[in-house]
Amino acid sequence: EAQVTQNPRYLITVTGKKLTVTCSQNMNHEYMSWYRQDPGLGLRQIYYSMNVEVTDKGDVPEGYKVSRKEKRNFPLILESPSPNQTSLYFCASSTTNTEAFFGQGTRLTVV
Amino acid sequence: GENVEQHPSTLSVQEGDSAVIKCTYSDSASNYFPWYKQELGKGPQLIIDIRSNVGEKKDQRIAVTLNKTAKHFSLHITETQPEDSAVYFCAASYYGQNFVFGPGTRLSVLP
Repeated sequence: EAQVTQNPRYLITVTGKKLTVTCSQNMNHEYMSWYRQDPGLGLRQIYYSMNVEVTDKGDVPEGYKVSRKEKRNFPLILESPSPNQTSLYFCASSTTNTEAFFGQGTRLTVV
Repeated sequence: GENVEQHPSTLSVQEGDSAVIKCTYSDSASNYFPWYKQELGKGPQLIIDIRSNVGEKKDQRIAVTLNKTAKHFSLHITETQPEDSAVYFCAASYYGQNFVFGPGTRLSVLP
């Protein structure tokens, strides 16, 4: 089954404790992105990747890092999480002329 | 970069009535315009899409229209049902790369 898998689905952490949210897709897609979703603000792009070892900042990259060492994986790293990073996060993948396929989301709370 | 606006932010209709959601985009290079439906606790799911070489596309009760000159595209849902209640997002993309989303419309279908 074609899918984008994010882990964990829910995470509560404390300010400053490094965390990683994993994203994996099984469709051999070139393009992958991370979005955060906040009430009234829609889906705002954090980072995107056009292919392995190619990443670029989206609209709200501050406080986040990503890496794309393998085509299928695109982890999101929060080196020092802060409460304003409490949000719902989505990973998505796509290829040329297809829609974006989304994961189920990761709800992060930073206290 | 691309900017996508979406209106209205909330929409309430009576069951059986039609619903229309409108989006505008800024980058004339964008050529692929998907619409997503997001239900509570889930990731966005594609419901219909349109490419820039087409002016209208229909799938049962759902239709999308595109005006490239005005950079407008719209989602039309006819004969609305309670299960149509959700948040809807429009998006713009260049050949499936780097999707930019509108802020979303919360549709409520009242029985």
